[in-house]
Amino acid sequence: DVKVTQSSRYLVKRTGEKVFLECVQDMDHENMFWYRQDPGLGLRLIYFSYDVKMKEKGDIPEGYSVSREKKERFSLILESASTNQTSMYLCASNPSGETQYFGPGTRLLVL
Amino acid sequence: AQSVAQPEDQVNVAEGNPLTVKCTYSVSGNPYLFWYVQYPNRGLQFLLKYITGDNLVKGSYGFEAEFNKSQTSFHLKKPSALVSDSALYFCAVRPRESWGGGNKLTFGTGTQLKVEL
Repeated sequence: DVKVTQSSRYLVKRTGEKVFLECVQDMDHENMFWYRQDPGLGLRLIYFSYDVKMKEKGDIPEGYSVSREKKERFSLILESASTNQTSMYLCASNPSGETQYFGPGTRLLVL
Repeated sequence: AQSVAQPEDQVNVAEGNPLTVKCTYSVSGNPYLFWYVQYPNRGLQFLLKYITGDNLVKGSYGFEAEFNKSQTSFHLKKPSALVSDSALYFCAVRPRESWGGGNKLTFGTGTQLKVEL
């Protein structure tokens, strides 16, 4: 079975803090993705990566950065957290051309 | 640009009755289409996908979806709903290119399914 894990299920941070969300997949997938999910807006793509050290902006990259130093790990970084970044963050991975598989999600609250 | 519409925020159905969750899409060329389900405080679980071939696709938990090219729709169906089917359902579309940006999924806004006794 494909397994995508995320470092935290719930996080509470303060405005201005630097926040790291980590995602690990154990299936040697080339592609990894970060989405945020908000009620009424569905899932929106923040960034994705199709290889180690390669990244591309998604639909809403502002206020976020990413890092992929190893194939299995894809980190989402909030350089200076703001309250409008309170959301559910979902990581996904897939081999090229195949179905995306999702992690359990991290619910982030920024106070 | 590709887009997905799920016109119903919520669908209510009685247990044992058939259910339909609607999805329409807009994309250039022939798409790949997906349905995912999300239970409370969980990630998305893959249900089924349409790639090519038979327009009726069967998936997990007794769900199926019908691809209709002329109506650009991909409605999710189940002949007999269960209370345990209550969840948030997402439709998604992807272009046929399979590398790099072609792997990007575009999601609908989701439909909350509520199955009652």
